[in-house]
Amino acid sequence: RKEVEQDPGPFNVPEGATVAFNCTYSNSASQSFFWYRQDCRKEPKLLMSVYSSGNEDGRFTAQLNRASQYISLLIRDSKLSDSATYLCVVMTNTPLVFGKGTRLSVIA
Amino acid sequence: EAGVTQFPSHSVIEKGQTVTLRCDPISGHDNLYWYRRVMGKEIKFLLHFVKESKQDESGMPNNRFLAERTGGTYSTLKVQPAELEDSGVYFCASSQELGNEQFFGPGTRLTVL
Repeated sequence: RKEVEQDPGPFNVPEGATVAFNCTYSNSASQSFFWYRQDCRKEPKLLMSVYSSGNEDGRFTAQLNRASQYISLLIRDSKLSDSATYLCVVMTNTPLVFGKGTRLSVIA
Repeated sequence: EAGVTQFPSHSVIEKGQTVTLRCDPISGHDNLYWYRRVMGKEIKFLLHFVKESKQDESGMPNNRFLAERTGGTYSTLKVQPAELEDSGVYFCASSQELGNEQFFGPGTRLTVL
């Protein structure tokens, strides 16, 4: 079983739609959780950290459920510029452990 | 502030040849990490330096890979001899403290023919 599992997509949504991504992780000792964004042929960039209490950054909301080992990302009012691959990332010790990513295409 | 830089951006070599990748972390970042993405797979950790010391090299695939960080500044990752399965994108990242955000470089796309 992969350490971090994500639905690869692609998710094709119209502008203005709300879209949700889910991720599960296998190591219950994992300590930190993140969503990274990766544009085509670019490096991953931190989108937001994820906390048990849930956190919001503008149109983006991230949630963590430690009991279920489940992480989510909600994007509201999708923009064309949100098109990218979203990587679910977990940190147990030092190195980051990445999921394969979920591809999002926002269509005009 | 300059970000993490990597050189070269692309490298195409033949099986059996040697390639050396370079990473310059953000100035002042003691922690330097190497990751690799093989086509169709997730990004995977290779190793972690704290200054010039190897903190964790559990992700290094085999002894054909040698990483160094002499002087605790830039790092090199040498693949010798390269095999077909070494093709992929090699990312370097750096962070100021352990557990802080890791900033990624643009990657080196390695193709072994």
